Amino acid sequence: EVQLVQSGPEVKKPGESLKISCRAVDYTFTTYWIGWVRQLPGKGLEWMGNIYPDDSDVKYSPLLQGRVTISADRSTSTAYLQWSRVTASDSGIYYCARLGTGSSGGDYWGQGTLVTVSS
Amino acid sequence: DIQMTQSPSSLSASVGDRVTISCRASQTIANYLNWYQHKPGNAPVLLIYAASVLQSGVPSRFSGSGSGTDFTLTISSLQPEDFATYYCQQSYDIPQAFGQGTKVEIK
Repeated sequence: EVQLVQSGPEVKKPGESLKISCRAVDYTFTTYWIGWVRQLPGKGLEWMGNIYPDDSDVKYSPLLQGRVTISADRSTSTAYLQWSRVTASDSGIYYCARLGTGSSGGDYWGQGTLVTVSS
Repeated sequence: DIQMTQSPSSLSASVGDRVTISCRASQTIANYLNWYQHKPGNAPVLLIYAASVLQSGVPSRFSGSGSGTDFTLTISSLQPEDFATYYCQQSYDIPQAFGQGTKVEIK
């Protein structure tokens, strides 16, 4: 059964680094784009970026480029989202999704990772 | 960047009602339009892709239409489990923006 398994909740202080993960199960990791989507408190869904694990081609939201890094490890079928320095405005729920072929949307989603940044 | 605008932002409806949600793109996106259902505490669920193709496993009361800049999600007979927030998303160009969401509430 295809699954995306995300890492657990995180509590960080402002200025700390953070890396969350999304492990793909039961499909060929390198043949589908993975997207990252977030939901900040009280807000809607926001697209952050996509990665193609086969060659690590990454497309970022212009609003977030430079603030986050998306990467993938083919050997462990895992995608990552990382920050070098988090701020309170990064608090929210972060989802990864497998993107179907032909730009057909996120057909499988991870369970979400809750990130809380507070001093 | 392509902007996605949904209407209405929220609506109240009863079980059995026909519900229609609109999504407009700021420029043409052909049929690169996806619809998702999102409930609190759950991951989003893909309902429709390519504007009108029903995702496997999704009930047939959901349907999508449109192309170019104007799109519609229709729920033919609203069920109790359909109360949720619905989002459109364009996958035509980067950034792959979502609409602001439409919350469907119980009347």
